[in-house]
Amino acid sequence: DTGVSQDPRHKITKRGQNVTFRCDPISEHNRLYWYRQTLGQGPEFLTYFQNEAQLEKSRLLSDRFSAERPKGSFSTLEIQRTEQGDSAMYLCASSLTLAGWGNEQFFGPGTRLTVL
Amino acid sequence: KNEVEQSPQNLTAQEGEFITINCSYSVGISALHWLQQHPGGGIVSLFMLSSGKKKHGRLIATINIQEKHSSLHITASHPRDSAVYICAVGHSGGGADGLTFGKGTHLIIQP
Repeated sequence: DTGVSQDPRHKITKRGQNVTFRCDPISEHNRLYWYRQTLGQGPEFLTYFQNEAQLEKSRLLSDRFSAERPKGSFSTLEIQRTEQGDSAMYLCASSLTLAGWGNEQFFGPGTRLTVL
Repeated sequence: KNEVEQSPQNLTAQEGEFITINCSYSVGISALHWLQQHPGGGIVSLFMLSSGKKKHGRLIATINIQEKHSSLHITASHPRDSAVYICAVGHSGGGADGLTFGKGTHLIIQP
């Protein structure tokens, strides 16, 4: 399979619990992005990595959120002390950087989080 | 104020009709993307463009950089085209190209 994969596809948790999501990008892609999408809205940028370096974080990414890409391949997004407002679809995308050019991003199927 | 505005928000049309979805943006961009999202969440990239026009099958995307406007057209629409179509922009000026998205256009093609 050569696409972007995410695990799990669905997660139901109780408020206050910690959750971790995983994203496996397309293997030769050096950039990896995390987005969040709430019902009826377009996705919103959370953070991105170039190789293992986290280069930008959105103001949406509170202190309860942390993302890693330790070896420049897969990435994890952890949410601590989940709140009901964290319920959303968490999307991962990857791209191959081309200098001076906007990069086509390939999206995974998403992880749908429900916080009860 | 949203940096990316799409219209219409909802569109219902009959099979075979010519469809146009519009996108306006207010920032400098490196590229504009048109994406398709089906129920269940999966997003597919349709086009990435920074100038002119691109065509793929029955889909055509155009962009006018001076007017900061793009359109997505679907010719001979079919019920399987029913989906949410999202316009997104990558910002110019270096730094991240994490995309900024419009809210999407929910398209329903009736047989």
